[in-house]
Amino acid sequence: SYVLTQPPSVSVAPTKTATITCGGNNIGSKSVHWYQQKPGQAPVLVIYYDSDRPSGIPERFSGSNSGNTATLTIYRVEAGDEADYYCQVWDSGSDHYVFGTGTKVTVL
Amino acid sequence: EVQLVESGGGLVQPGGSLRLSCAASGFTFSNYWMHWVRQAPGKGLVWVSRISSDGSSTTYADSVKGRFTISRDNAKNTLYLQMHSLRAEDTAVYYCAKGVYDSSGPYDYWGQGTLVTVSS
Repeated sequence: SYVLTQPPSVSVAPTKTATITCGGNNIGSKSVHWYQQKPGQAPVLVIYYDSDRPSGIPERFSGSNSGNTATLTIYRVEAGDEADYYCQVWDSGSDHYVFGTGTKVTVL
Repeated sequence: EVQLVESGGGLVQPGGSLRLSCAASGFTFSNYWMHWVRQAPGKGLVWVSRISSDGSSTTYADSVKGRFTISRDNAKNTLYLQMHSLRAEDTAVYYCAKGVYDSSGPYDYWGQGTLVTVSS
């Protein structure tokens, strides 16, 4: 089955840039979606189809995808960005969705 | 405003059954794929199942295939997950999520979840 690997945690100071990676075999050939989940809340879509932002999501959130790594970048990090972040793809080989292992972003 | 409201969770013994419901409003329910995702306490998100807009196509994670059945009633704007032969490892918050027009797209809205606890 297809596996998506994320770093367990990322720490970043306010106003700096957070980079969250999502590794998978030839993930660049797939469409990647990213979700933000704050404690006790449902996930929220923040990036879809690699780099598109839903309405209401700040421009500070940006996505890219190439080769074996997809990346979610959060510019000018704010305290309110502290959350768990999950990448997701649909794997055509298994016809299953797959979520990444999740990354906890801590704002110092 | 899109709303997804899950219900039906609770405590069930191993081997038991439970049916979850997800009441949808604020969008044309019959036009979209719908999904179930679960999250065990303190763990990550895990996809469970999806169903096409007209209910004719369903897919399941290997861990629930043969035990869970996803269905929908477009007249009632409601999504269901029938769960049988429940195991301790099925303990989780179950979320329903709204897909987009295509079968492999993102989930743009999520419910708040309903907790299922499998324990004796």
